[in-house]
Amino acid sequence: EAGVVQSPRYKIIEKKQPVAFWCNPISGHNTLYWYRQNLGQGPELLIRYENEEAVDDSQLPKDRFSAERLKGVDSTLKIQPAELGDSAVYLCASSFGQSSGNTIYFGEGSWLTVV
Amino acid sequence: GNSVTQMEGPVTLSEEAFLTINCTYTATGYPSLFWYVQYPGEGLQLLLKATKADDKGSNKGFEATYRKETTSFHLEKGSVQVSDSAVYFCALSDRLAGGATNKLIFGTGTLLAVQP
Repeated sequence: EAGVVQSPRYKIIEKKQPVAFWCNPISGHNTLYWYRQNLGQGPELLIRYENEEAVDDSQLPKDRFSAERLKGVDSTLKIQPAELGDSAVYLCASSFGQSSGNTIYFGEGSWLTVV
Repeated sequence: GNSVTQMEGPVTLSEEAFLTINCTYTATGYPSLFWYVQYPGEGLQLLLKATKADDKGSNKGFEATYRKETTSFHLEKGSVQVSDSAVYFCALSDRLAGGATNKLIFGTGTLLAVQP
């Protein structure tokens, strides 16, 4: 069974440029997450989707970040314009259902460097 | 608010040594507890989990017991190998009364380096 797939794996951009990340969750998983992991830190939730609805986006910097999950499957996370402080690993994850005991599966991450 | 605190690294051990990585948590509801591992250049992988008090999660020789009385979920392994070198993250997912939630809150991670 395929895991969570993310692209691109690595991206280097200049500040003020836009960038987009794509995620394909595990088949059948209705819950999708975007996390950001800064160097030396644990991941922090940016946004969580239940199907196509964003149910928790309280940590998403809405002035420059946007996300969508059309048709409740794939998702994209966009940053426009990027700032130096956005350099981090952006992790997509998915799970089946909302139960707190359900396992959340992570992709390999998209490593962003803003110069 | 909910939070996870784990011991700072790096933890450096010789092969076959005993490993303990401490993790304590603060939660308002009834959390499930997890250990995730991140090998160099790879994504997070679930190592083990426990969903209620006194449960023991185990996988690949690693164990952790959910201790509600001490709000802890320490990770242990009796004999580490070089291939265990990675960053280990403790995390909780809180289940609130009257609703379901599956938001993971992570600790800052502990780097384990095992030397041959």
